[in-house]
Formats: sequence, structure tokens, C-alpha cells
Amino acid sequence: NAGVMQNPRHLVRRRGQEARLRCSPMKGHSHVYWYRQLPEEGLKFMVYLQKENIIDESGMPKERFSAEFPKEGPSILRIQQVVRGDSAAYFCASSPTGTGSNYGYTFGSGTRLTVV
Amino acid sequence: QQQVKQSPQSLIVQKGGISIINCAYENTAFDYFPWYQQFPGKGPALLIAIRPDVSEKKEGRFTISFNKSAKQFSLHIMDSQPGDSATYFCAARPLNNQGGKLIFGQGTELSVKP
Repeated sequence: NAGVMQNPRHLVRRRGQEARLRCSPMKGHSHVYWYRQLPEEGLKFMVYLQKENIIDESGMPKERFSAEFPKEGPSILRIQQVVRGDSAAYFCASSPTGTGSNYGYTFGSGTRLTVV
Repeated sequence: QQQVKQSPQSLIVQKGGISIINCAYENTAFDYFPWYQQFPGKGPALLIAIRPDVSEKKEGRFTISFNKSAKQFSLHIMDSQPGDSATYFCAARPLNNQGGKLIFGQGTELSVKP
């Protein structure tokens, strides 16, 4: 049973380009979360999605960032017109349920975005 | 704004010693407190978690202590081993949020010396 798969592992983009980060949740998991980790900082929540629905995007920057989780295929975090401040590790996590009793996320290994 | 504050930022412990990491929160509306372990180049992995109706939870060498009145919770690693060297994050789940959003502490880099 493969874990949460994120690709690419490393991504280098020039300022102004677009970055697309992919996340395939664990089999049977229909809830996906995206977090950003800046150097020397903890993880910051960005967005929570279920298939074809954005449930909570309270942590998403209002401009340039978008996320989707289509009926088929991986979840995509898209960053348009990247700037140096977007350089960070982006982690995706999945879970079988979104609320309720005890559960834990399963995180992927992350995509490390470097903007040059 | 809901916050979780974690200390210390870094910790060095001798093999066999006890590692203690503390977290405090500023909002009472949390209902789940997990701890994550992260090795370099990897994603965080759930280590142990506690709910606020329990004051202590132990799993092997790892124990969470929870003090609801003080809004504090801590991770104790007994008989610390070099393989425990990693970054540890506490987290808290807001009550009544729309899903599994977690608020993370800033992390503690633990180094266990042989």
C-alpha cells in the first residue's frame, strides 16, 4: 500500500513562472490537505479538499495560489507567477475521514520548491 | 489568531536520558493534540496523540502529558536513543472546524548523543 505520493520531490522555478505540485493520496483516502513549511518554521495549513470540493481554504494566499482535487487524478497545488518568498517545502497529507473520532494524517515526503 | 507555541527550539540529550518538549496554546477551542516526528528530507509522521479529556497517554517510550487548565501539553521521550534524533512538532486541531486542519508548533530539533 503506497503512501501519499508527491511529485516532483524538488522543483526549481524562475521568478514569474508557474509551479504545479501534485499529490496522490493513500488508497481509500478521499481527504487531502496541503501545508507549507518555511525554513526553521512549523507547518502552516493552506487548504483542505475533498474530491471536487474545496472545504477550507482559509490558509491560502488570496492571490496566485489555487488548489484542486478532481474526481480522477491527483490533487494539484498551483502557484502562478512565483516569487522568491514562495520557496518552501510543500507537504500534502491525506486521511480517510475529515472529522470525528481520532485519526491521523499521513503526510507525503513533500515537494521542495526553490524560486531563483 | 489561534496559536500553538513550542519550546525549546532545539534540544541535546545524552543517550538514555529523558527528552522533554513543551507546547502551550492560546485558545481553548481545540479537541485533539497530536505530535509528529520528522526526519530530514521526509514528511512528518504521526507519533502519538491525545484528546483533552485525558491527562496522560503512553505508548512505549513516548508519553504525552496534558494540563487542560494551564493550556499546556508536553512530550516525554524516555530512554532517548540516537535514532530519536529528529524534529518534533506538536499540533492542535481547532474545535468545530470544517475538517482536519491542524495548527502546528514551530518545532523542536532533538539531537540524542551516543
